[in-house]
Amino acid sequence: AQSVTQLGSHVSVSEGALVLLRCNYSSSVPPYLFWYVQYPNQGLQLLLKYTSAATLVKGINGFEAEFKKSETSFHLTKPSAHMSDAAEYFCAVSGGNNNDMRFGAGTRLTVKP
Amino acid sequence: NAGVTQTPKFQVLKTGQSMTLQCAQDMNHNSMYWYRQDPGMGLRLIYYSASEGTTDKGEVPNGYNVSRLNKREFSLRLESAAPSQTSVYFCASSGGGDYSYEQYFGPGTRLTVT
Repeated sequence: AQSVTQLGSHVSVSEGALVLLRCNYSSSVPPYLFWYVQYPNQGLQLLLKYTSAATLVKGINGFEAEFKKSETSFHLTKPSAHMSDAAEYFCAVSGGNNNDMRFGAGTRLTVKP
Repeated sequence: NAGVTQTPKFQVLKTGQSMTLQCAQDMNHNSMYWYRQDPGMGLRLIYYSASEGTTDKGEVPNGYNVSRLNKREFSLRLESAAPSQTSVYFCASSGGGDYSYEQYFGPGTRLTVT
C-alpha cells in the first residue's frame, strides 16, 4: 500500500516570496504522484502530476514539483507567491491501480500582503 | 461540459435519517469514486466503481452503500445517518484503469448529522 505525508499543515508566506510545500511518499511500486489545489468551498483541481516521463513537472499557475526517488519526495514550489495562491494543497500517490489513490492531510497556504 | 456535478450542495439530517447523494459526470469516464473529507485527514475513499456495473469498498465503507446506475451516474446512500458521518463528500471520476489518470472532482456536498 502507498501513503503520503505532507509536512506542515499550515504554511504562510509573503506575496512575492518562494512557496515550498513538502510531500513525502511511500509506495511499494513505482508511484504516480499528484498535487491538487482546493479553493474555499470548491472541489479539488489538478495542479500537476508525475507519471515517470520527467522528474521535474510543470503545472498550472506557475507551480512545479520535482520527483526525487532517493528522498521519496515530491515537493511543490512556486518562485513568487500571489494572493490568489491562498488555498489548501493536497499531495496524492497512486500505485497499482487507479482505485488506490491516497491523499495527504493537506497544507493550507496563506499569502500575506 | 459540466464535468462532475453533485446534488445537493448542503444537507442537514437527524440521526437515523437516510439520504442519497447524487453524482453525475459527462466526460465518458469509466471510473467513479466517493470520498469524504474531514479536517486534518485529507480525503478518504468510501467506495469506487471501476466500470459500469461494478462497485468496490474503499478505505472507509461502513455505514454507506453505492449504486452505479449507468456510466454517468454514481450515487452514495446513507441508510441510517450518524453524527460521525458529518463531513464533506466529494465525487470524482477518471478516464480508466491506468493509474496515471488524474481524477476530476465535483464541488462537494456538505452534510451535517445532528
